[in-house]
Amino acid sequence: SQTIHQWPATLVQPVGSPLSLECTVEGTSNPNLYWYRQAAGRGLQLLFYSVGIGQISSEVPQNLSASRPQDRQFILSSKKLLLSDSGFYLCAWAPILPRNEQFFGPGTRLTVL
Amino acid sequence: GENVEQHPSTLSVQEGDSAVIKCTYSDSASNYFPWYKQELGKRPQLIIDIRSNVGEKKDQRIAVTLNKTAKHFSLHITETQPEDSAVYFCAASPFLGSGGSNYKLTFGKGTLLTVNP
Repeated sequence: SQTIHQWPATLVQPVGSPLSLECTVEGTSNPNLYWYRQAAGRGLQLLFYSVGIGQISSEVPQNLSASRPQDRQFILSSKKLLLSDSGFYLCAWAPILPRNEQFFGPGTRLTVL
Repeated sequence: GENVEQHPSTLSVQEGDSAVIKCTYSDSASNYFPWYKQELGKRPQLIIDIRSNVGEKKDQRIAVTLNKTAKHFSLHITETQPEDSAVYFCAASPFLGSGGSNYKLTFGKGTLLTVNP
């Protein structure tokens, strides 16, 4: 069966510090991968998605970036964190077409102070 | 692009009552409609989905209905229990297609359901 991991689970970082969040998927090949941010415990904002190694699509302009160095690895980064970057970061994966179901990882709760 | 509206934003019911959450979408090309349940501090979990070739789907106490003509779909929870309390999200997506945009789900803003014992 498929499993999705995220780490760290929680993170407290000062403003201006760098960020690296990692997501890995097991038990599947060539998944679509997604990064979402959830602020204030409500809406899901899609940040990036990837349909293959090295292929990244950005949904909103921001000081975050994403990379996919391996088929089942997705990384979210920032060079300098802002207070507004605080939130719950969720990675998700979806099997290749024709299915659309997305399955979420456990998330990383980021607090920027 | 797709736009999904979800109502109500909060819903409070008594245990045993039914709960209905409604969503509308804008893109007529959308034909996959999942629902997610998110408990406090946890990840969203897919609870049911429907594709446009059917009008209704049931799974025990939950059901989803779809009206493609009117571009709306609804989640129905019967005999609600306190453990049904959570935030529920609807979403919409094209089911098949090429190009990066067809791989995305567009989510509603969520409904906080509280079931009072």
